[in-house]
Amino acid sequence: QKEVEQDPGPLSVPEGAIVSLNCTYSNSAFQYFMWYRQYSRKGPELLMYTYSSGNKEDGRFTAQVDKSSKYISLFIRDSQPSDSATYLCARMDSSYKLIFGSGTRLLVRP
Amino acid sequence: DVKVTQSSRYLVKRTGEKVFLECVQDMDHENMFWYRQDPGLGLRLIYFSYDVKMKEKGDIPEGYSVSREKKERFSLILESASTNQTSMYLCASTFSGRAPNEQFFGPGTRLTVL
Repeated sequence: QKEVEQDPGPLSVPEGAIVSLNCTYSNSAFQYFMWYRQYSRKGPELLMYTYSSGNKEDGRFTAQVDKSSKYISLFIRDSQPSDSATYLCARMDSSYKLIFGSGTRLLVRP
Repeated sequence: DVKVTQSSRYLVKRTGEKVFLECVQDMDHENMFWYRQDPGLGLRLIYFSYDVKMKEKGDIPEGYSVSREKKERFSLILESASTNQTSMYLCASTFSGRAPNEQFFGPGTRLTVL
């Protein structure tokens, strides 16, 4: 079992939809979780991070960690075509390394 | 603005060739990383470095080596390229200190080994 599991998609939604992207993790040793966004032919960029359980909101984006079920979620409200990208969840371990999921490709249709 | 640059965007090499991929960051970051990215497998860590002349194996170091002679530069070396090393290679850097530490990525090098 991979340490961080993520549905690869692709996920196709109409503009304005609420998008839910999900990951599960297996190692509870360290509790920082990150979401990176990667546009085509570019490197990943940090979108948001959360610590342990709870929610974090930034504009149209909400990151959520459910520690009891080892579930990580990213919600995008009022999705836009510019949100079309691959979204990577990652868990940070204690030595600054990131353990990535396989990424979910999102397409927001105008 | 943090900048991580990689020497080539696209590279085509032949089986058995020695390949050098270079990464330079301009933010005085202590930590640097090399990943490869393959469809369905996500980013997998090849090697990382905490400081000049220091290196640590990641999850898939076989067939690769690295060099870090200067703080800003981290090189990935394929001693004898093979077709299964065809992939997207991404370099990243981050500072040492209190977590969380954002990793800043370069644009990637798409390597094809024929």
